[in-house]
Amino acid sequence: QLQLQESGPGLVKPSETLSLTCTVSGGSIDTSTFYWAWIRQPPGKGLEWIASVYYSGSTYFNPSLKSRVTISMDPSNNQFSLTLSSVTAADTALYYCARQDRTDWPPDPFDVWGQGTMVTVSS
Amino acid sequence: QSALTQPPSASGSPGQSVTISCTGTSSDVGNYDYVSWYQQYPGKAPKVVIYEVTKRPSGVPDRFSGSKSGNTASLTVSGLQAEDEADYYCSSYAARNNWLFGGGTKLTVL
Repeated sequence: QLQLQESGPGLVKPSETLSLTCTVSGGSIDTSTFYWAWIRQPPGKGLEWIASVYYSGSTYFNPSLKSRVTISMDPSNNQFSLTLSSVTAADTALYYCARQDRTDWPPDPFDVWGQGTMVTVSS
Repeated sequence: QSALTQPPSASGSPGQSVTISCTGTSSDVGNYDYVSWYQQYPGKAPKVVIYEVTKRPSGVPDRFSGSKSGNTASLTVSGLQAEDEADYYCSSYAARNNWLFGGGTKLTVL
């Protein structure tokens, strides 16, 4: 059974860079069948897709965040990662990693999710 | 890009049917049959209950159904049960390889 687990610091200072890792167990991320994504949810608010990455290195970004986001894969450790630079209080959120089904195009839906990791931006 | 528009709340009594709408534009909901619906309980990760507008993943009760007309997609929950009380989010593929979510609808079973 595929499981995703987010990890990273729970507190980041304003203007610094947020870095998160998603460790995948029960299946390989180095596969053509799926994309791997990051999604966030500010406290009490809705979901926001951040970015997606494919085993080939192909990446897609939310236009509103693109200038500050990097997403990458580490197949040797079965992990994928997110960095978000120049963070502000508006980046405070529960960050989820998720799998996207690539059986068809576009990759959809987000069919397996991690439990989420809370990141607070504060000095 | 703007988030998809959902009503903040919906409610129904046990056994009744409730429909939640999700309004987008001709660049997302109206142009692609890649609308998904996610159920989220408090403190839990979202779970997909409908994908590609009308399809149900295995294990999701057939009380959940989806549809689309023009720029608006809908999730209908028939035969409401107490366990259906949750937040529901729609999502749509959008132009230029983007994915949009709605603001969420809190479904209350009265």
